[in-house]
Amino acid sequence: DAGVTQSPTHLIKTRGQHVTLRCSPISGHKSVSWYQQVLGQGPQFIFQYYEKEERGRGNFPDRFSARQFPNYSSELNVNALLLGDSALYLCASTQGLGTYNEQFFGPGTRLTVL
Amino acid sequence: AQTVTQSQPEMSVQEAETVTLSCTYDTSENNYYLFWYKQPPSRQMILVIRQEAYKQQNATENRFSVNFQKAAKSFSLKISDSQLGDTAMYFCAFMNNNAGNMLTFGGGTRLMVKP
Repeated sequence: DAGVTQSPTHLIKTRGQHVTLRCSPISGHKSVSWYQQVLGQGPQFIFQYYEKEERGRGNFPDRFSARQFPNYSSELNVNALLLGDSALYLCASTQGLGTYNEQFFGPGTRLTVL
Repeated sequence: AQTVTQSQPEMSVQEAETVTLSCTYDTSENNYYLFWYKQPPSRQMILVIRQEAYKQQNATENRFSVNFQKAAKSFSLKISDSQLGDTAMYFCAFMNNNAGNMLTFGGGTRLMVKP
């Protein structure tokens, strides 16, 4: 079975631009979470979606938004990019919410903002 | 809010030896999980081991085991018979069982296994 996939692998943008990152969860998984991992740090939670609804939001500005589609794939959008948005963006999928569900991570998208 | 602290930015160990990575956390919750994740240079985050807070018995997965001290809010990872493939970043993480599947990560420990 395919794992969590993310696209693109790498991305270079300039300040002020907009970016869209994509994630496809493992087949049968209905929840997707997004994390930002700045170089040399641990990942930080951005959003969680379940059944197309936002179920959790981390401490990130409104420039960050996301959505989940009927096929449970997800997009993370970042507007008005800043240099500090340069990071590895990780997507994780789980079967659902409630009692423990293991999170499976994708390989990430490396975003560089110049 | 939960916090997770890993006080060892870097560690090294000789192949076949044992190493222990430290993690402390702070929470007011009683129902939670703790995890160790491995992130090799390929970037894929892989679950190594998990511990449920209500279980007193320490979790074990092959060469990996934890020392969970709930009162002290300590959660260390012991890697026995270290292998070259264990070289990676290791992250300790916390999940509040009453708040979805959101993970709170520590800052990580870079482990180098030397031949």
